[in-house]
Parts: sequence; structure tokens; C-alpha cells
Amino acid sequence: AQSVTQLGSHVSVSEGALVLLRCNYSSSVPPYLFWYVQYPNQGLQLLLKYTTGATLVKGINGFEAEFKKSETSFHLTKPSAHMSDAAEYFCAVSGGSNYKLTFGKGTLLTVNP
Amino acid sequence: EAGVAQSPRYKIIEKRQSVAFWCNPISGHATLYWYQQILGQGPKLLIQFQNNGVVDDSQLPKDRFSAERLKGVDSTLKIQPAKLEDSAVYLCASSSGMVNTEAFFGQGTRLTVV
Repeated sequence: AQSVTQLGSHVSVSEGALVLLRCNYSSSVPPYLFWYVQYPNQGLQLLLKYTTGATLVKGINGFEAEFKKSETSFHLTKPSAHMSDAAEYFCAVSGGSNYKLTFGKGTLLTVNP
Repeated sequence: EAGVAQSPRYKIIEKRQSVAFWCNPISGHATLYWYQQILGQGPKLLIQFQNNGVVDDSQLPKDRFSAERLKGVDSTLKIQPAKLEDSAVYLCASSSGMVNTEAFFGQGTRLTVV
């Protein structure tokens, strides 16, 4: 079984401030981890993914995330928020023989001028 | 390459009516997912196909929902009869099915049941 917990349903930051969105996962097998972004009335777009290898992964739009196995975490960060980053962000985990993809409940990021 | 196509984009029906959604995945993608996303929540997997076989449908309300994937390509999701609580966005996604590859999502169908 696998699950994802995203801490904080809503995060608000000022433009230029650090963005930190938290994700913890549970998986009985080595996980594949993903962050997706969803803009209003749109589907989900992949930001970045961790499969194997380097635990710090870089994605699009300046985002990065670090896989910490000991903490079962995969937090998403961006050094400096931009207004265009305002969206909903979903962490997801996949693993096992059927690659079922399980999502967290999402974190809504607002960026204040 | 073309993305995942879904239709219609929006649908409004009355409760107890039936509705069907269509999805055309990225060419060559073996895995197809249908997710239900209720407002303010994360996507919930309804059904996962590998080619034309069902891999997981544990969260599909089988008394009213059905899905098929013809010839391992296009897929349809049907609701009959619809309930008010079925109001949601229905997302289709596909992936190559290979290890470490991500799922690509369509824009979704927003269903409103009144």
C-alpha cells in the first residue's frame, strides 16, 4: 500500500520569498516520487520526479525537491517565488509491479506582491 | 507529440441521467488512468488499464461507473445513473508503462450533476 501526506493545504508567500511545500510518503516498495502542478481549469503538469540515483532533483521553473529516505519525505522548494507560481501542487508516489500512481490532497500556493 | 485528449470539456446533467467521457492517450502509451478530482481535493484513482486489461479498479463504484479501453488505445468512462456527489473533474492520464516514467494528463472533463 502507498499513500501521500501533504502538510498544509494552503501556503502563502511573498514574491521573492522561499517556497517550501511539504510531502511525506508511505510505500512498501522503493518509491518513485513526483510533483505535479495544476493551474485553474487545467490538467496536471509534471514539475519533477525522483526515480533512482541523485536524491536532489531539479525540475522546471526553478523548482527542486530532495528525496530523504530516512524521513520518508520529498519536499518541494524554490528559492524565490514568482507571481506565476501561484497554483495547486500535488505530490504523488508510485511503485510496485503495477505502478499505481497515488496523489496527496494538494497544497494551494498563493504568492502575494 | 500530441498530448492526452479528453472530451467533452464540460458537461451538465441531471441526477439519475447517464454520461460518458472519452479519452485518447498519447500514442504508444500502454498505461491509462482515470482519476476523479473533487473540488479542493487531490485526484483519486478510479481505474488503471495496462493495454486493454484492468490493473486496478478498487476505488471504482462499480454499481454506477464502468470503463473500457478498446483495443488498448481509446477509453470511455461511463456513469449511470449519476448522483449529485459525482460532480467533479474527471482526468485521464497515460504513461508508457515503463519503470520511472511519469503520467501525462489531459485537461479533464468537468461534470456538474444538478
